[in-house]
Amino acid sequence: AQKVTQTQTSISVMEKTTVTMDCVYETRDSSYFLFWYKQTASGEIVFLIRQDSYKKENATEGHYSLNFQKPKSSIGLIITATQIEDSAVYFCAMRDRNTEGADRLTFGKGTQLIIQP
Amino acid sequence: GPKVLQIPSHQIIDMGQMVTLNCDPVSNHLYFYWYKQILGQQMEFLVNFYNGKVMEKSKLFKDQFSVERPDGSYFTLKIQPTALEDSAVYFCASSSYWGTQYFGPGTRLLVL
Repeated sequence: AQKVTQTQTSISVMEKTTVTMDCVYETRDSSYFLFWYKQTASGEIVFLIRQDSYKKENATEGHYSLNFQKPKSSIGLIITATQIEDSAVYFCAMRDRNTEGADRLTFGKGTQLIIQP
Repeated sequence: GPKVLQIPSHQIIDMGQMVTLNCDPVSNHLYFYWYKQILGQQMEFLVNFYNGKVMEKSKLFKDQFSVERPDGSYFTLKIQPTALEDSAVYFCASSSYWGTQYFGPGTRLLVL
């Protein structure tokens, strides 16, 4: 079974700085897909960015980017120029595809990010 | 991003009653999912659904749970009968083939 681990429970940074959130994963698949979502204070879950394992370039999307280190099974999320509204819980997830073609996401426990003014 | 809708946003019911949670997925998506989240903890997969049938379900998907999407209408999760431990937020998601899963805003279910 696949496993996703986020060891940082909570991070607090000042506004306009850069923050990195860690995530490591376990899989036996040679090709896999990694995602970051954020959960806002209202509970909404928002897709941020994804990394397909066969792509060597780190994905970027606006002020989000990924630090994909395949040999270390690591997929860190980097947020530059943080804003107050980036305060949320960030979840790392991996797509798990079974032999019948169905898939599901396995989530980490999340990292709470607090942006201070 | 693409919008998934869920109805109702909140539901309070007595233990033993039936409840149906409704999901309106993204219009061109073919794969549908339910996840469960307790008290802001990690999301846990319940079930996925494609082409009118359940493809995979987790151990959390008890016998009292069922899903369907009759004639392209809402994708539903029915719990009958409900138990106290079913209290949670239930998120629906949908995706295209190999696509990113997009989530609805969740239904907060409280079983008394």
